[in-house]
Amino acid sequence: NAGVTQTPKFRVLKTGQSMTLLCAQDMNHEYMYWYRQDPGMGLRLIHYSVGEGTTAKGEVPDGYNVSRLKKQNFLLGLESAAPSQTSVYFCASSEATASGLSETQYFGPGTRLLVL
Amino acid sequence: GENVEQHPSTLSVQEGDSAVIKCTYSDSASNYFPWYKQELGKRPQLIIDIRSNVGEKKDQRIAVTLNKTAKHFSLHITETQPEDSAVYFCAASSWGKFQFGAGTQVVVTP
Repeated sequence: NAGVTQTPKFRVLKTGQSMTLLCAQDMNHEYMYWYRQDPGMGLRLIHYSVGEGTTAKGEVPDGYNVSRLKKQNFLLGLESAAPSQTSVYFCASSEATASGLSETQYFGPGTRLLVL
Repeated sequence: GENVEQHPSTLSVQEGDSAVIKCTYSDSASNYFPWYKQELGKRPQLIIDIRSNVGEKKDQRIAVTLNKTAKHFSLHITETQPEDSAVYFCAASSWGKFQFGAGTQVVVTP
């Protein structure tokens, strides 16, 4: 049981390049999330998914796209990277909620992205 | 919109003393309040959580209190040890969406 995994661990991009970050979970969780973490700003939600085939915007979605074609995978895409997207990206997953109640989130190890 | 404020941003304590971190939230629908510990270069790890139908929860040296009326919750660490040094994040959640505080850097000096 690997929990939540992320690839790659570290990447350097040039401005304008594209890339995809992969998140995988083996806990059969319905909900998956992508966050970015910048110094002094905590974790900010980029996009999330409440089930296979669904996606929704978080608080900082601009410049990112996501897809959830399989329940266990959640992909984060940067079509044209900008220096402002230099950050640490964390994926997380949780069980489905019921009646508005939230469940514990489990985080992946993070991807460090540097855009030059 | 919804947000979570966390104070202080840095906290320095002597080993053996207590540490308290406070968070306030604005969304009255929030019903789940986890606390995470993050060591340098690592992922956030859940250390304790509390639901809105409970006022206090304790796990060994760690406790969390919740005041729903005032919309604030706090993390208490007693008998601090050097390994408690890390960044701590609070969060408030409802319907599976989480809002995080900006974090508190805790430094425990021997």
